[in-house]
Amino acid sequence: ETGVTQSPTHLIKTRGQQVTLRCSSQSGHNTVSWYQQALGQGPQFIFQYYREEENGRGNFPPRFSGLQFPNYSSELNVNALELDDSALYLCASTKSSSGGVFQETQYFGPGTRLLVL
Amino acid sequence: AQKITQTQPGMFVQEKEAVTLDCTYDTSDPSYGLFWYKQPSSGEMIFLIYQGSYDQQNATEGRYSLNFQKARKSANLVISASQLGDSAMYFCAMREGFEYSGAGSYQLTFGKGTKLSVIP
Repeated sequence: ETGVTQSPTHLIKTRGQQVTLRCSSQSGHNTVSWYQQALGQGPQFIFQYYREEENGRGNFPPRFSGLQFPNYSSELNVNALELDDSALYLCASTKSSSGGVFQETQYFGPGTRLLVL
Repeated sequence: AQKITQTQPGMFVQEKEAVTLDCTYDTSDPSYGLFWYKQPSSGEMIFLIYQGSYDQQNATEGRYSLNFQKARKSANLVISASQLGDSAMYFCAMREGFEYSGAGSYQLTFGKGTKLSVIP
């Protein structure tokens, strides 16, 4: 058990719709990252939030956006869904010290499986 | 260019035997960390072991050890005494030394993974 939960576990949407995925981190975890994992691939970094602000982004378009809340929960929002957005979405959280120590473990949630038809 | 390369899409190992999962990486940053994660069919990524670029000794965590060869840029995972519960996807990942404002970057770059099947 990592103490990180995600909801919903599964979701089916149609192309063009919008979706919100949720993540609840451990208390005190001030940094959360979101990843997209397509079938048969490794996870790809979408973005990172630190103290409620996005402070790092991977190669994803602006229609992928997020929020982080003071209660250690966060959201991933995807607008104008495309078929290629079908994937497992993972959030990972950690308690960041200044500068980010390398060996600080990120704790992953079980993911949300999104299917876009 | 791939930053993390895992060349074994699938591996089979007999129960109680040892197995090595390969990982090579590419970075020009002198400061980096290497991680191995296990992903069962449920989807959750489970942290197994960490190796820092400046660590002199190979990391070990129970049945898991990391064979770190810095000059070759390889970080192979060795699982000793395989168990049926070890059957899963295994991912090698790297965190590089750049920092974001206010906090270090926790961005992980993953390989494509190796599917390990343990045979009774």
